[in-house]
Amino acid sequence: NAGVMQNPRHLVRRRGQEARLRCSPMKGHSHVYWYRQLPEEGLKFMVYLQKENIIDESGMPKERFSAEFPKEGPSILRIQQVVRGDSAAYFCASSRGVSSYEQYFGPGTRLTVT
Amino acid sequence: DQQVKQNSPSLSVQEGRISILNCDYTNSMFDYFLWYKKYPAEGPTFLISISSIKDKNEDGRFTVFLNKSAKHLSLHIVPSQPGDSAVYFCAASKGGADGLTFGKGTHLIIQP
Repeated sequence: NAGVMQNPRHLVRRRGQEARLRCSPMKGHSHVYWYRQLPEEGLKFMVYLQKENIIDESGMPKERFSAEFPKEGPSILRIQQVVRGDSAAYFCASSRGVSSYEQYFGPGTRLTVT
Repeated sequence: DQQVKQNSPSLSVQEGRISILNCDYTNSMFDYFLWYKKYPAEGPTFLISISSIKDKNEDGRFTVFLNKSAKHLSLHIVPSQPGDSAVYFCAASKGGADGLTFGKGTHLIIQP
């Protein structure tokens, strides 16, 4: 499967726990984006990363959320001390690079906070 | 502040007819526009895009029209097929590799 991969597909966490969402971009893609979709809403941009660099985190909540894209391995979106309002679908997308506007999305991780 | 607006939450079209989905934007800095299709419990799938220097782009049954002066774009699907039933999102980019700004989506229902 050469597409964007995300895991887990479903994640249940209790309030106060940590959630870790993983994303492997398409082969040949070096740019990774994270989006969040709340019920009945469109996707909202959170963060844009390249290998070992955060390029734009203007959509990330100031607290509890962090993202990384290490030299080796998948990109990780980390949510500390989750609250009920964090329940949403989190999508990762990848693109080839600066001159490529098209982003290709993974299947998403559905986070439920109980 | 909704910079990309899709004012029709849902649209019902008969199979074989034309489906027209609309999108308006407010930010003049947007220079590239994309349409995505999404099925439940799946990620959005890229459909078609258009640069702001063009007014039309066509790919098979899908055509996107851009009216820059009105800050309006539309996606035409003809003929509509049952498999087209999905939520369609309009998205915009300010250029380069920036994050996309999405509308809230239009749920297209193709009736037999």
